[in-house]
Amino acid sequence: GQNIDQPTEMTATEGAIVQINCTYQTSGFNGLFWYQQHAGEAPTFLSYNVLDGLEEKGRFSSFLSRSKGYSYLLLKELQMKDSASYLCAVKDSNYQLIWGAGTKLIIKP
Amino acid sequence: IAGITQAPTSQILAAGRRMTLRCTQDMRHNAMYWYRQDLGLGLRLIHYSNTAGTTGKGEVPDGYSVSRANTDDFPLTLASAVPSQTSVYFCASSESGATGHYEQYFGPGTRLTVT
Repeated sequence: GQNIDQPTEMTATEGAIVQINCTYQTSGFNGLFWYQQHAGEAPTFLSYNVLDGLEEKGRFSSFLSRSKGYSYLLLKELQMKDSASYLCAVKDSNYQLIWGAGTKLIIKP
Repeated sequence: IAGITQAPTSQILAAGRRMTLRCTQDMRHNAMYWYRQDLGLGLRLIHYSNTAGTTGKGEVPDGYSVSRANTDDFPLTLASAVPSQTSVYFCASSESGATGHYEQYFGPGTRLTVT
């Protein structure tokens, strides 16, 4: 079967750095997405990786290792507004997104 | 309209009733999707449409049907609602349903409770 694993919840301090991991086992791979979802709201796109390596976008970076079936989202200089769930999703061989359950990130002052 | 709209925002529905969730996008995206999101589970694809006039089944299609008469609209129908269909439903769209970096844009969601 297909599986996306992420930690259920993480806590970090305002101003710090946090790394949210995602491991996947899917039938085929056509890219990995990270989305942010604030409570009660819709998911919004953060990043996309299809080749191995690090993609940096402001305070957020995303890393991919296809051989290890592994990705992480790195958030720097955490702000209170970063409190949200972070969803990892992999596009499989049928070009459909398979979603992880999400990691709830709690930021403390 | 800017983006994707969904209606209603929330609904309480008696079991056995028929219900249509509406979704409209103004971005001229070819592909549209319906997901359900339940606590502790990832988004699960119900149905999708890669282009107007075509639809496909996702991971959890049973009890749901869709149509895609034009590019903008993608309604989801529950023929006879059951309590297990209580969930938050998200509609999404993207420029293409297949290859490439085409992120999905999501509507605000419909919170449905079936009693």
